[in-house]
Amino acid sequence: LAKTTQPISMDSYEGQEVNITCSHNNIATNDYITWYQQFPSQGPRFIIQGYKTKVTNEVASLFIPADRKSSTLSLPRVSLSDTAVYYCLVADKGSGYALNFGKGTSLLVTP
Amino acid sequence: KAGVTQTPRYLIKTRGQQVTLSCSPISGHRSVSWYQQTPGQGLQFLFEYFSETQRNKGNFPGRFSGRQFSNSRSEMNVSTLELGDSALYLCASSLSQTGIGVNEKLFFGSGTQLSVL
Repeated sequence: LAKTTQPISMDSYEGQEVNITCSHNNIATNDYITWYQQFPSQGPRFIIQGYKTKVTNEVASLFIPADRKSSTLSLPRVSLSDTAVYYCLVADKGSGYALNFGKGTSLLVTP
Repeated sequence: KAGVTQTPRYLIKTRGQQVTLSCSPISGHRSVSWYQQTPGQGLQFLFEYFSETQRNKGNFPGRFSGRQFSNSRSEMNVSTLELGDSALYLCASSLSQTGIGVNEKLFFGSGTQLSVL
């Protein structure tokens, strides 16, 4: 069963740039890559979505190489409030397009 | 516009019982999907409903079932509860018309925390 692979956890200091990479070797051809953020006791919240190259919004940037087998979420100048779990989401072609969030990356930002 | 509403927020049951969880999607959203979240397995997809029909299903036993009503509200049922069913159950709605995929933004509720004793 194909799945996404992300680091389990990352640590950062306030003000630094954080890059979280996700591997998704079995991504479906026509599907996008979407990142979500989740705080404790809340549901995930949409951050950014892209298909290829680079996408930027007011919160983050998403870098996707030409082969689309990985993607990198970039959070500029993180603050304490960015401490959360980040999920990379792609359609899992091998399981009939069932969504696969995986375990995400737990980011801890400290002063 | 109101967000996705899940009730109840917390629930305690004993093994062997059954439970029904409710989800009201954002107005205008016809797709509702359900997820189980545990520390060990992460966030796993259960199933998705659109226009009262189940369109997609994850890899869970038949004890987990759901339905959707004509107003797009959805319920999820777990029968014969096991200790391992203790989890945060999340529902999400989207504007998806053709299949949940990942191309449609998902809007999640705050979840129902189920504890099975």
